[in-house]
Amino acid sequence: QVQLVQSGAEVKKPGASVKVSCKASGYAFTAYYIHWVRQAPGQGLEWMGWINPNSGGTYYAQQFQGRVAMTRDTAINTAHMELSSLRSDDTAVYYCARARVRGLIDFIGQWGQGTLVTVSS
Amino acid sequence: QSVLTQPPSVSAAPGQKVTISCSVNTSNIRNNYVFWYQQLPGTAPKLLIYDYDKRPSGIPDRFSGSKSGTSATLGITGLQTGDEADYYCGTLDSGLRVGVFGGGTKLTVL
Repeated sequence: QVQLVQSGAEVKKPGASVKVSCKASGYAFTAYYIHWVRQAPGQGLEWMGWINPNSGGTYYAQQFQGRVAMTRDTAINTAHMELSSLRSDDTAVYYCARARVRGLIDFIGQWGQGTLVTVSS
Repeated sequence: QSVLTQPPSVSAAPGQKVTISCSVNTSNIRNNYVFWYQQLPGTAPKLLIYDYDKRPSGIPDRFSGSKSGTSATLGITGLQTGDEADYYCGTLDSGLRVGVFGGGTKLTVL
């Protein structure tokens, strides 16, 4: 079955960077776009962007441009999301999520379990 | 003004029906393309409905989706206490680039 297993919780200081990993299994990794979504404590879902694991092409939400980088390693079926210049309001659970349909920029079908990133001095 | 607008909360009694609306405030949304997600407390969201009214395999037919004008609606019949959760609508814009979610609706089963 489709699984997206994310890396463990992180605690970072303001100004630092964090890199969250998302290992995919149970399907052809390069065939489905990966989205990244975050959720601050007690808040709603915020879409961050997507990556095409086949080409490496990306698209980022405007509010994260210049501060986020989404990459992939096809040899190990893993997507990464790196967020830099962290602020306290970046404290959130970060989710990777797979597009529903193969080969298209489709919206989200399956979700990873989430990674808590805490930014605190 | 948010592109997708949901009521903050809804409530109903066990066994009853509830509807959750998602008002689409832009023409830049791909047709027939609203998704609904259920987020139980402390868990990741789960896909309930895609393309306005289609259920993935394994989703009970108590959950339904519909479209009317510029709004999407999630319906849940035969409410159970286990349905208490946050529900989000979401979509991609018509250019298939930008993703967006509604603010979420908290369902309370009284």
